[in-house]
Formats: sequence, C-alpha cells, structure tokens
Amino acid sequence: GENVEQHPSTLSVQEGDSAVIKCTYSDSASNYFPWYKQELGKRPQLIIDIRSNVGEKKDQRIAVTLNKTAKHFSLHITETQPEDSAVYFCAANSPGVGGGNKLTFGTGTQLKVEL
Amino acid sequence: DAGITQSPRYKITETGRQVTLMCHQTWSHSYMFWYRQDLGHGLRLIYYSAAADITDKGEVPDGYVVSRSKTENFPLTLESATRSQTSVYFCASSTPGDSYEQYFGPGTRLTVT
Repeated sequence: GENVEQHPSTLSVQEGDSAVIKCTYSDSASNYFPWYKQELGKRPQLIIDIRSNVGEKKDQRIAVTLNKTAKHFSLHITETQPEDSAVYFCAANSPGVGGGNKLTFGTGTQLKVEL
Repeated sequence: DAGITQSPRYKITETGRQVTLMCHQTWSHSYMFWYRQDLGHGLRLIYYSAAADITDKGEVPDGYVVSRSKTENFPLTLESATRSQTSVYFCASSTPGDSYEQYFGPGTRLTVT
C-alpha cells in the first residue's frame, strides 16, 4: 500500500519567515495530495491540495509543489504568523472499494511560529 | 462543520468491554472514514465506506468492526477493547465528484483502562 513520509517532525521559525514541510510517497498511482492543518484540540482541516496534473498551486501565503518523478511534494508558508502555529499533515490517495479515495497521512509536522 | 458529528466526545472504558463510537453526517456524503490519531503516528485509516453496505479495510482494522446500513451513519465498534486502542478517533466524510476533500468530525477521545 501507499507509504507517506513527512519531514521535519518539528519546525520552529520566526514570525515573518518562511516554512517548508516536505513529504514523499511511494505509490506512483497516487494523484491527489492534500495538506491538512490541525490546531491543538481541534479537528484536521484541509488548507490546500494538488492534483498530479499540476506542478504548483498557490493560495495567498501558502503554496504546494509536486514533483511526480521524484514522488515528493512540499508545503510552503510565507510570511508566517503566530496563527500558523499548528500541526500540519500531508497525505496521498489510493483507490477505495466502490470508488472514492482513501488517504494515507504523514506523521505530521509541529510548526511553531515565534514572535 | 456542524454537518458531521461524533458521539460520545469522551469515553473511558475497561479492557475487554465492547464500545461503539457513533458518526453522523447530514450532507448525504457517499464516502465515510474512520481514523485513529496517536502521537508519532499521525492519522491512520481504520475503515472506509463508499456507500451503505460497502466497506473496506484501512491500515489498522484489527479489533474494529464497522457497519453502514444508512448513508448518514457510520458506527465503529471495538469488540473487546484493549489498552492499545486508547486514542483519539476521527470520523470523516467526502462527496463523489471533483472534490476529494474529507471533512472531519470533532473527534472522540477514548481511554481504555
């Protein structure tokens, strides 16, 4: 099955700096790569996703890049703010019985934005 | 977010007892999922369902049973709870179509003593 590795496990940056989180996946058939943000005690929420037919996608201060050949994708957050402090998870899809997509998640990155 | 709910939110049970965690969504989403979240492991898929009466195992299905007789409900049963099943459990749902986004419920914190 799919295997997703995520690095680093913790990341501390100064407010205003950029943060980069990297993930690799194993199944070349995966074609959907979402990123979820989880604040302490809350549920995970989708912040951005990318399909395999696209190399980069941006949404304001966040962007995701995908390298299909190398099987890795990255989350970039620019101009970090204290409210960006959270755990971030990457994921990759695999087909499920009856259609739909099962997700395999990375182990998460604890991002801390320091004032 | 109010469209997917989980109950109970907190549960303490003893080893060997049967426990059922409930998940209910009001969006009529076809796909539903159960994950467990443990420190150092992220979110791991337990079971997946594409529709009523269609279920599929995930990464860590052992010790769990699911059913889906109605589209809106997807209960997860621990047949004989073990301490290793102490975790936070999240239910999620998604809709067929172009969006693959999964919407998560608020989670159930289960402690097995």
